[in-house]
Amino acid sequence: NAGVTQTPKFRVLKTGQSMTLLCAQDMNHEYMYWYRQDPGMGLRLIHYSVGEGTTAKGEVPDGYNVSRLKKQNFLLGLESAAPSQTSVYFCASRHGQGSPKNIQYFGAGTRLSVL
Amino acid sequence: GENVEQHPSTLSVQEGDSAVIKCTYSDSASNYFPWYKQELGKRPQLIIDIRSNVGEKKDQRIAVTLNKTAKHFSLHITETQPEDSAVYFCAASRSGGSNYKLTFGKGTLLTVNP
Repeated sequence: NAGVTQTPKFRVLKTGQSMTLLCAQDMNHEYMYWYRQDPGMGLRLIHYSVGEGTTAKGEVPDGYNVSRLKKQNFLLGLESAAPSQTSVYFCASRHGQGSPKNIQYFGAGTRLSVL
Repeated sequence: GENVEQHPSTLSVQEGDSAVIKCTYSDSASNYFPWYKQELGKRPQLIIDIRSNVGEKKDQRIAVTLNKTAKHFSLHITETQPEDSAVYFCAASRSGGSNYKLTFGKGTLLTVNP
């Protein structure tokens, strides 16, 4: 049971390049989330999904797109990377609305540098 | 939307002392308050959570208290050990309905000195 797996773990991009971060969970969770973590800023929600085929904007969605074509996968895309997107990205997942637990389980993170 | 303030941003204690981290929230409808611990270079992991129908919850050396009237909750760590050194995040959310999001505080870097 791997839990929440993020790929890649590290990436360096040049300004203007594009990339996709993959998040996969094997816990049959309904909800999935993408956060970014910057020093002194805590965890800020980028986008989230409440089920296969659904996505919604979080607190800091600009410059990012997401897709949830399969229940177990949540992809985060950067179409034209900017230095301001240098950050550590965390994916998380949790059970759906009917569960008494709101616990979010996090992936190990992706460290992205945009030069 | 919800706003969570966390204090202090850094906290240094001697091994064996107690540590207290405080958070306030703005949305009176929030009813679920988890605490996450993040060791250096690792992922955040839940260490304890509390719901608004209880005022205190304890798990070995850690405890969380909640004051709904004042809209604040606190994490208490007793008999601190060097392995308690980490960043701690509080969070708040509503459960049920259409709200699926956690709002996090900005974190507290706890350093336990041997």
